[in-house]
Amino acid sequence: SAVISQKPSRDICQRGTSLTIQCQVDSQVTMMFWYRQQPGQSLTLIATANQGSEATYESGFVIDKFPISRPNLTFSTLTVSNMSPEDSSIYLCSVEGRTGVGTGELFFGEGSRLTVL
Amino acid sequence: EDQVTQSPEALRLQEGESSSLNCSYTVSGLRGLFWYRQDPGKGPEFLFTLYSAGEEKEKERLKATLTKKESFLHITAPKPEDSATYLCAVKGSRLTFGEGTQLTVNP
Repeated sequence: SAVISQKPSRDICQRGTSLTIQCQVDSQVTMMFWYRQQPGQSLTLIATANQGSEATYESGFVIDKFPISRPNLTFSTLTVSNMSPEDSSIYLCSVEGRTGVGTGELFFGEGSRLTVL
Repeated sequence: EDQVTQSPEALRLQEGESSSLNCSYTVSGLRGLFWYRQDPGKGPEFLFTLYSAGEEKEKERLKATLTKKESFLHITAPKPEDSATYLCAVKGSRLTFGEGTQLTVNP
């Protein structure tokens, strides 16, 4: 299993500001995934981050709002830009299990709970 | 479009009272069905993968089964520490999560 550390674990932010979430994995991985989990809703994939290339964004998510960096095989950041109360959510970083490449066996960080006032 | 529906939304059980959680799905070309457990303030924790109808997987008090249209997560003689939200996800062309069942087991 992979150990994934996310920072911050929670934050309260003002409308219009931006916040960067960090994700550190204890092993090298090809793909890292960023999810959003809004209250009472299912996990929604924001984007897939590959090292050395631009992130791939899902429908409804754009780079200007959620810029992602992937400087190496163990680290990624997600920035939530120009935040509004609708961005209040839990943001989760995940990677595939070593035996589950290309499947749905994912390991998740503990999440970053953002509240936007 | 792939869809996953979990029921019930919430379930309260007494310790030792066995029950089942349901995950109904529609997907083009199932490449796997996955169960996760999520504790409050934590990320989801992977439990099981099922690939074909008739397959079963067990872990302690949990048993997951799969048919062509749904999966069940059976919980036998649950304990308070089994309290969590259980998420189901299916992999077709993409991974789609359900909204989860919030399970509370009272002592």
